[in-house]
Amino acid sequence: GDSVTQMEGPVTLSEEAFLTINCTYTATGYPSLFWYVQYPGEGLQLLLKATKADDKGSNKGFEATYRKETTSFHLEKGSVQVSDSAVYFCALRRTGYSTLTFGKGTMLLVSP
Amino acid sequence: DAGVIQSPRHEVTEMGQEVTLRCKPISGHDYLFWYRQTMMRGLELLIYFNNNVPIDDSGMPEDRFSAKMPNASFSTLKIQPSEPRDSAVYFCASRGQGGNEQYFGPGTRLTVT
Repeated sequence: GDSVTQMEGPVTLSEEAFLTINCTYTATGYPSLFWYVQYPGEGLQLLLKATKADDKGSNKGFEATYRKETTSFHLEKGSVQVSDSAVYFCALRRTGYSTLTFGKGTMLLVSP
Repeated sequence: DAGVIQSPRHEVTEMGQEVTLRCKPISGHDYLFWYRQTMMRGLELLIYFNNNVPIDDSGMPEDRFSAKMPNASFSTLKIQPSEPRDSAVYFCASRGQGGNEQYFGPGTRLTVT
């Protein structure tokens, strides 16, 4: 079945550091890929998405590129802020299916 | 738009009691999803509806759990009887027919003592 694997956290960074959170997936065909973010005490929010190979999703300084050859969708940001502290979830949706398959989430802690 | 609305935000109950969680999806959305989030198991899909009809309930842990969607603007998740292992945050999410994105509510934190 489909699966998403994320690096374990927490990831601890200082403000303005470079961020990478790794995500790899297993799925049939060409799924759509997503990054969701969950701030403390809130529900998940879509951060960015990519629907086909080599697409780059971007939002709020975050980027991720859909790499079919390595089945990866790594999240990056050039300079993190304290306000980026949250849990980040990688997810996929197989074409023609309604449901999302989520990774276990990676907690990011950014200190001033 | 008000977004997905869930109530209550927090629920504390004793083992054996019935618990009902409520969700109002975004107006016009055709899909509604119920999830459970715990530290041990992460985010789990319990059940989802399309046009008020349950499509897949394979994630519902056992018969103590039931979900209904009597109309397009309201859904409930019921646990009867509740057990301490049901303690978790329960999320509702909705999605439009042609959309890619699921919109999540703020969640209900359930504590069963």
